[in-house]
Amino acid sequence: GEDVEQSLFLSVREGDSSVINCTYTDSSSTYLYWYKQEPGAGLQLLTYIFSNMDMKQDQRLTVLLNKKDKHLSLRIADTQTGDSAIYFCAESFLGGYQKVTFGIGTKLQVIP
Amino acid sequence: DAGVTQSPTHLIKTRGQQVTLRCSPKSGHDTVSWYQQALGQGPQFIFQYYEEEERQRGNFPDRFSGHQFPNYSSELNVNALLLGDSALYLCASSLISLDRSNYGYTFGSGTRLTVV
Repeated sequence: GEDVEQSLFLSVREGDSSVINCTYTDSSSTYLYWYKQEPGAGLQLLTYIFSNMDMKQDQRLTVLLNKKDKHLSLRIADTQTGDSAIYFCAESFLGGYQKVTFGIGTKLQVIP
Repeated sequence: DAGVTQSPTHLIKTRGQQVTLRCSPKSGHDTVSWYQQALGQGPQFIFQYYEEEERQRGNFPDRFSGHQFPNYSSELNVNALLLGDSALYLCASSLISLDRSNYGYTFGSGTRLTVV
């Protein structure tokens, strides 16, 4: 079945790196995503990775995928106060034509 | 270029009533998906519409129904509202490519529904 698990909370100091972790269970997942939700807003797609990739880097964001352990992580370099938000890990098969399954979200608090 | 537009932004209804939520997809998108996000939870998939038909449905009762119009906009209807239906309802649009893949949704800001 489909299930995505994340830790609930992470606190880091401004300028440090943040690492948000996620595990998923659906071995047929083709796309894995990281979304960001700020208070009172919808979800913003930050980055995605195909399940045949191990790593993807996009400016301050680095996504690592361990397919064997079904583990996904998001590293934010030089974390800023504007990065404070809830981060959702999500998975889907065949992209948007199929449903996207979201985790519960990790609340990132950046301390100035 | 407008993104995904949802209306209304906030709504208060009484238990047992019916509600209709509306969504206009991002320009160029042809698929609309609806999600329910309860407080402190991740979004839960309700259903997805493509070519005016429901293509896939999550684990939601028949009280939840929808529609997609020829201009790709969509409505979510909920009948016989329960207190537990209180949540943020998110609409997401996407473009289905020939191989039924895309790279994620564009989400609207949601409709906050409170059932009292």
